[in-house]
Amino acid sequence: QQQVKQSPQSLIVQKGGISIINCAYENTAFDYFPWYQQFPGKGPALLIAIRPDVSEKKEGRFTISFNKSAKQFSLHIMDSQPGDSATYFCAASLGSNYQLIWGAGTKLIIKP
Amino acid sequence: DVKVTQSSRYLVKRTGEKVFLECVQDMDHENMFWYRQDPGLGLRLIYFSYDVKMKEKGDIPEGYSVSREKKERFSLILESASTNQTSMYLCASSFPQAGGPDTQYFGPGTRLTVL
Repeated sequence: QQQVKQSPQSLIVQKGGISIINCAYENTAFDYFPWYQQFPGKGPALLIAIRPDVSEKKEGRFTISFNKSAKQFSLHIMDSQPGDSATYFCAASLGSNYQLIWGAGTKLIIKP
Repeated sequence: DVKVTQSSRYLVKRTGEKVFLECVQDMDHENMFWYRQDPGLGLRLIYFSYDVKMKEKGDIPEGYSVSREKKERFSLILESASTNQTSMYLCASSFPQAGGPDTQYFGPGTRLTVL
């Protein structure tokens, strides 16, 4: 019940295309869903986050779509660029708990 | 900018050695975390600390211990390193935000190889 399942494990997208990474969870008490981005040689950094009271959040080319009934959320990267090549992690947390439950990560490669 | 630094980027140790990984944050954060990152397994929490001298076990604490004597410093200790502890180790810090969850700020990681 504490797991967050992330797919795909790796993804190759052409420059200018849309990258989509999916996550699913079981615990309906989760109330915060962040995405972290990790470049090679760096630690992860917060990219964008959403709460379950909204179905979508957009920041520039990055959008989180949230489906509460299906217990799924996804990251969409529009007009994907080679600089977006990184590993992406979804996560979830519970109330004021400062711990995050992490997905396994998706290695995204954007081909020029 | 928040800065989390880790004492080494790369470390090679022998089986049975005692290994210390150090992490320092400069933003007076209350919470600090140690994760290990392995391909296909994501980030797994080893230990975290929510205050000086306080610690709680994460998901995979076996074979590890931690120390937090000062607020800015959180150390991970491998008492007797084993080859299955070869991994990338990430330190993070965060501070409680009113009405919301914390953002975790990560260091660059230490890639530990145990021979």
